[in-house]
Amino acid sequence: DQQVKQNSPSLSVQEGRISILNCDYTNSMFDYFLWYKKYPAEGPTFLISISSIKDKNEDGRFTVFLNKSAKHLSLHIVPSQPGDSAVYFCAARAGGTSYGKLTFGQGTILTVHP
Amino acid sequence: NAGVMQNPRHLVRRRGQEARLRCSPMKGHSHVYWYRQLPEEGLKFMVYLQKENIIDESGMPKERFSAEFPKEGPSILRIQQVVRGDSAAYFCASSPRQTENEKLFFGSGTQLSVL
Repeated sequence: DQQVKQNSPSLSVQEGRISILNCDYTNSMFDYFLWYKKYPAEGPTFLISISSIKDKNEDGRFTVFLNKSAKHLSLHIVPSQPGDSAVYFCAARAGGTSYGKLTFGQGTILTVHP
Repeated sequence: NAGVMQNPRHLVRRRGQEARLRCSPMKGHSHVYWYRQLPEEGLKFMVYLQKENIIDESGMPKERFSAEFPKEGPSILRIQQVVRGDSAAYFCASSPRQTENEKLFFGSGTQLSVL
């Protein structure tokens, strides 16, 4: 039962353009969402998060959008840089559970070409 | 300030042997989480521990797996009588407190290979 889905296994973007990574979820109890970035042979690194009471959160080049009615969130990276090439994981947390108990998607491999 | 330290980075075991994975959280962090990533999948929650206490083990397989976080020393994830299906990357994460916007800091993981 995949409660968090990232349907695009990979995404290729030109440097300077926008990267849009998508994530869908099915559990209505999720109330906090996070994006993590992972380089090979390293652990995931926190990128940005959003609470379910908001529909947008921005941090520099990274913006996360949340559409609760569609149970969909997206990560926008503008402008994309070659150093952004990594695996991006969407994660969600259900209300009433431990704060570190996250449900992860399968990941999307982002490649930014110079 | 050192990050979350996991060792070994790579561990090879034969079927039926025991695997011990160690995790030292970041300094000042008292909350430890273990996650497992199977090939081509996302990370899956296994267990949440505080010092000397297991808080949530809802993601742990019922048999052969155990975890501890003693008063002194690292957290240990122990897998007894390993099978090929246990081959995966095991990640440990830590956090200093439990707040809504708390984020986890992950170690680099231990890649377990069962022959």
